[in-house]
Amino acid sequence: DQQVKQNSPSLSVQEGRISILNCDYTNSMFDYFLWYKKYPAEGPTFLISISSIKDKNEDGRFTVFLNKSAKHLSLHIVPSQPGDSAVYFCAASAGTASKLTFGTGTRLQVTL
Amino acid sequence: DTGVSQDPRHKITKRGQNVTFRCDPISEHNRLYWYRQTLGQGPEFLTYFQNEAQLEKSRLLSDRFSAERPKGSFSTLEIQRTEQGDSAMYLCASSLAPQGFIEAFFGQGTRLTVV
Repeated sequence: DQQVKQNSPSLSVQEGRISILNCDYTNSMFDYFLWYKKYPAEGPTFLISISSIKDKNEDGRFTVFLNKSAKHLSLHIVPSQPGDSAVYFCAASAGTASKLTFGTGTRLQVTL
Repeated sequence: DTGVSQDPRHKITKRGQNVTFRCDPISEHNRLYWYRQTLGQGPEFLTYFQNEAQLEKSRLLSDRFSAERPKGSFSTLEIQRTEQGDSAMYLCASSLAPQGFIEAFFGQGTRLTVV
């Protein structure tokens, strides 16, 4: 069963506009959420995270929003840049468990 | 280079052969994880170590798979009697715990192709 879902396999956004990537989860035990970015032939790179005690976390152009009641989180990138073109994975963890459960990824393309 | 290092980057093997991958984590990290990623999927957890102790194994890790971290530093992942379904990217990650939840840093992965 897919406990972390990214329903949009791809997204295309113009440079300078906002990119919004969405993620839904089903496991109520998840209390820590992360976004990773992945370029081809490289491992995932950590981008930003949020604890379940918060509903928003910002880091420069990247903001993650968490809606616990809806079991939904989103990553906002503004302004989007061509270098942001990559596959973005949402991941979640439950309590002190160390494993991350990943979504299937969303391929973001930022066009000029 | 202080990142997570994996070797080899690519491995092609014939079905039925054994293969071994190596992961060198970030030096001060005490946790080491193995994940597997197939085409169109996100990474799937296989197993993790805290220091030299293997604390959790996924049901994905069949008895043909074995992982070790003998001195709490580097780790190896061995696949015996490889099958075509084992073809995937094998990712290693490390983190420092417990200090809250610290994000895991991933290596570049080992791409296995079983022919």
